Amino acid sequence: QKEVEQDPGPLSVPEGAIVSLNCTYSNSAFQYFMWYRQYSRKGPELLMYTYSSGNKEEGRFTAQVDKSSKYISLFIRDSQPSDSATYLCAMTSGGGADGLTFGKGTHLIIQP
Amino acid sequence: EAGVTQSPTHLIKTRGQQATLRCSPISGHTSVYWYQQALGLGLQFLLWYDEGEERNRGNFPPRFSGRQFPNYSSELNVNALELEDSALYLCASSPTGTGGYTGELFFGEGSRLTVL
Repeated sequence: QKEVEQDPGPLSVPEGAIVSLNCTYSNSAFQYFMWYRQYSRKGPELLMYTYSSGNKEEGRFTAQVDKSSKYISLFIRDSQPSDSATYLCAMTSGGGADGLTFGKGTHLIIQP
Repeated sequence: EAGVTQSPTHLIKTRGQQATLRCSPISGHTSVYWYQQALGLGLQFLLWYDEGEERNRGNFPPRFSGRQFPNYSSELNVNALELEDSALYLCASSPTGTGGYTGELFFGEGSRLTVL
């Protein structure tokens, strides 16, 4: 079993739809959780950051962490064509030594 | 404020050659991380440098090496190139390495290495 599992997609939805992206993980030591967005031929950029369990909302984006289920989600409301990108979940136990463990990314396409 | 910069943008080498990739972190950041993003494999942790020292390395052979300079810039060297080394190599920086590390990384746009 891989440490972080993420459906690679592609996931194609119409503009304005609510998008749900998910990752599952196996390492219970993970306590910092991130979502990165990566446009084609660019480096990943940090989109959302959460610590431990709970929800966090920033604009159209909501991140949820359920540590008991080892499951994290990213919701995008009122999706726009500019949201079309690959979304990578990432997590770490902290301390820096292990860097970040990434999912393989979900390729999202928002159809105008 | 300038972000993480990487050079070269693209590099083409042949099998057996050596490649050198360079990274300049965000001003004030002391930690530099290197990741490999190969097609279908996602981002794989390569190396972590902090305050000029190699702090940790991922599951890669010793022909992947690097260093961090006193100005915190970093260099990744890949010796005896193999076809499967073809990938996007991403550098990221963070303000601190140990203690206070929370996982927020700032990535450059990467160096695309093609091995023929």
